[in-house]
Amino acid sequence: AQSVTQLDSHVSVSEGTPVLLRCNYSSSYSPSLFWYVQHPNKGLQLLLKYTSAATLVKGINGFEAEFKKSETSFHLTKPSAHMSDAAEYFCVVSEWYTDKLIFGTGTRLQVFP
Amino acid sequence: EAQVTQNPRYLITVTGKKLTVTCSQNMNHEYMSWYRQDPGLGLRQIYYSMNVEVTDKGDVPEGYKVSRKEKRNFPLILESPSPNQTSLYFCASSLEGSDGNTIYFGEGSWLTVV
Repeated sequence: AQSVTQLDSHVSVSEGTPVLLRCNYSSSYSPSLFWYVQHPNKGLQLLLKYTSAATLVKGINGFEAEFKKSETSFHLTKPSAHMSDAAEYFCVVSEWYTDKLIFGTGTRLQVFP
Repeated sequence: EAQVTQNPRYLITVTGKKLTVTCSQNMNHEYMSWYRQDPGLGLRQIYYSMNVEVTDKGDVPEGYKVSRKEKRNFPLILESPSPNQTSLYFCASSLEGSDGNTIYFGEGSWLTVV
């Protein structure tokens, strides 16, 4: 079965410092992986997706993620945090035989001025 | 504009009173699904549909029903709601499943069952 594990439930950073949100996945097949962001009282927005093309994936708002098969990781990074980045972030894997999205439990990012 | 529209957005109801949360998409997508979001659990799939008249259970289908009579609509039915169905619900759609295809989410429906 496929799954994702988000290693931190909360991450706090200062504005202007780097962001690292960690995600490990488990999959018997080459997975499709996604990062979604959810701002307070809002829906889900796709940040980026990996579908077996380039291992370094660039997304919106300066975010990027690197697919590392040897480490089964798909960590999300951003060089410099902005106050507007404060939100909940979900790492997601797509289950290939049902197309179901399997969500991690989420990481809440706080950004301090 | 590409949209997934859910209604109602907010609802407080009483135990046992049947309710329907509607979901409609304007992108001619084949694949639609429902998720519920609970604190500390992320989103979990309730039901999904790969096309008209084709529906299947997700991870947490108990207490829910769905139908897919038309391609654009995928309502979620709670025949006899209970307090443990208090949650935030999301409808989603994509062209052909989620693998590599962009998935569009509705804005969510907050449901409270008292």
